[in-house]
Amino acid sequence: GQQVMQIPQYQHVQEGEDFTTYCNSSTTLSNIQWYKQRPGGHPVFLIQLVKSGEVKKQKRLTFQFGEAKKNSSLHITATQTTDVGTYFCGGSNYKLTFGKGTLLTVNP
Amino acid sequence: DAGVTQSPTHLIKTRGQHVTLRCSPISGHKSVSWYQQVLGQGPQFIFQYYEKEERGRGNFPDRFSARQFPNYSSELNVNALLLGDSALYLCASSLTRDNSYEQYFGPGTRLTVT
Repeated sequence: GQQVMQIPQYQHVQEGEDFTTYCNSSTTLSNIQWYKQRPGGHPVFLIQLVKSGEVKKQKRLTFQFGEAKKNSSLHITATQTTDVGTYFCGGSNYKLTFGKGTLLTVNP
Repeated sequence: DAGVTQSPTHLIKTRGQHVTLRCSPISGHKSVSWYQQVLGQGPQFIFQYYEKEERGRGNFPDRFSARQFPNYSSELNVNALLLGDSALYLCASSLTRDNSYEQYFGPGTRLTVT
């Protein structure tokens, strides 16, 4: 079945440093979705990528979808303490398959 | 507008019992999906319902079942509970028939099996 892998599993940064998490699927995806889950909270939708090679930006966040539509990345520039949480990618064919997530902690 | 609501928020059951979890989607959303999230893992897909029909099923045993009602709310039932069923159960609603669009997650039900 479809598998989605995310690396790294954990990332600790100093406030102001950049952060990147990578997502890789065992199969070609129709689209990929990114979610953020704060500690004790529930996943909140960030963005969806559909097209091969697509790049989208949301303020300090940059999302990329690979040319083969099997990988994706999320890059945060100049992290802030409010960025703390677990970032999940979800690969979609007919069902949404999530990776294990990357837990980001930020030292003020 | 109200978001996705789930009840109860917390639940403690013993092995062998059954449990029913409830979810109300965002108004206008006809699709409801259920996910199981074990600590330290990503949400794992259990079921999706659209217009009261099962549209997808994840790799879960037959002890797990669900249904969707005419008002698009949904129930997840788990029979013969095992310790390994302890998890956060998330419900998500969306506009589309498949999961190719934004999922709106509820706050979840924390199930503890002792």
